[in-house]
Amino acid sequence: DIQMTQSPSTLSASVGDRVTITCRASQSFSRWLAWYQQKPGKAPKLLIYDASSLESGVPSRFSGSGSGTEFTLTISSLQPDDFATYYCQQYNSYWTFGQGTKVEIK
Amino acid sequence: EVQLVESGGGLVQPGGSLRLSCSASGFTFSSYAIHWVRQAPGKGLEYVSAISSNGGRTYYADSVKDRFTISRDNSKNTLYLQMSSLRAEDTAVYYCVKAPSSSWYYYFDYWGQGTLVTVSS
Repeated sequence: DIQMTQSPSTLSASVGDRVTITCRASQSFSRWLAWYQQKPGKAPKLLIYDASSLESGVPSRFSGSGSGTEFTLTISSLQPDDFATYYCQQYNSYWTFGQGTKVEIK
Repeated sequence: EVQLVESGGGLVQPGGSLRLSCSASGFTFSSYAIHWVRQAPGKGLEYVSAISSNGGRTYYADSVKDRFTISRDNSKNTLYLQMSSLRAEDTAVYYCVKAPSSSWYYYFDYWGQGTLVTVSS
């Protein structure tokens, strides 16, 4: 099974900051990785798929990159609506989520 | 509009059984693989199970294998998760999740609102 490890687990940032979350895989694969955003009491929402493709309707301040064993989600300028928990997910071999990264207000 | 509505959650004793349902609308249900993902209170997302568009292929996480059974009725646009031998660690919100394709390995584009299962005596 492919294990996914996110870092950091918690991130404190201010509005306007550039934020980067990293997801590392236990095995290498090309681009079969997605990123989700979850707010308290709500279902997760798809942000990025195929490592770097932006889901329709998602603001362009969100971007994804990477391949192999290291992937990143970047928020170019953090907005108040972006304070949430973010999860990566691989779908190269079955499906596995990272443990999540909570983005908090600094 | 795509909608996934889970039902069937509730309080069940350890060792008991429960069947979750997911009613789908707004898309051609029989054309897409569907999954279950769960989230224990205050914890992260955990993958549970998958079923192919025609029901011929299924997959289970090790944590639920041999205890849970996923199935679907394409004539009723409904997904099921039969859970047995339930344990305290199965306590979670269970989400019904749609993939954007009939292909097996895909991300998830729509999520239901979830149904809470609590396993406790």
